[in-house]
Amino acid sequence: DTEVTQTPKHLVMGMTNKKSLKCEQHMGHRAMYWYKQKAKKPPELMFVYSYEKLSINESVPSRFSPECPNSSLLNLHLHALQPEDSALYLCASSQVPPRETQYFGPGTRLLVL
Amino acid sequence: AQKITQTQPGMFVQEKEAVTLDCTYDTSDPSYGLFWYKQPSSGEMIFLIYQGSYDQQNATEGRYSLNFQKARKSANLVISASQLGDSAMYFCAMRELNTGNQFYFGTGTSLTVIP
Repeated sequence: DTEVTQTPKHLVMGMTNKKSLKCEQHMGHRAMYWYKQKAKKPPELMFVYSYEKLSINESVPSRFSPECPNSSLLNLHLHALQPEDSALYLCASSQVPPRETQYFGPGTRLLVL
Repeated sequence: AQKITQTQPGMFVQEKEAVTLDCTYDTSDPSYGLFWYKQPSSGEMIFLIYQGSYDQQNATEGRYSLNFQKARKSANLVISASQLGDSAMYFCAMRELNTGNQFYFGTGTSLTVIP
């Protein structure tokens, strides 16, 4: 089973709202990732968790706050977002790198009004 | 310098024909992995095929094969017998085994299969 699930599929929020994106995998992977993808562009890495610890933060603004409560779950907490943050947010997981394939979830399409 | 270069923004192929999507890469790490992903309009990134830098044979997965030319630093994806469902964005990616967790993605190629 190579499934990564993400909820919600779509999210519309105002600039003053607080919301969370959720990601779950049951493949026993110990690395999990958040990517942001704008239309017709490649995914951009935001955060990497390895063994539930944040190992990479690609200079992401503090209005994005990741959380890894356990080895299967990854959250992305959103607060005071800007319209330019509207994008597809993809979660991925893999065995601990460096060799392993990343498996992606279906993504959350976020619109910030 | 770009780690991954995909020079074909858009490609068209007739149904049932084969198509090659180009990918070149740049690395000084002798150990690396190359990946191809398919992204339909629904958004999900679907893993297609993997090639390791030390693999002696070109990778194949069903209708997908990877034409790996190490000296030229190219890793082209060949899709045989194209189907309408192959219409999607295709991304080439690389991971350098000695430098951590990051994937480097190319800019993608949009493939349209014509009936």
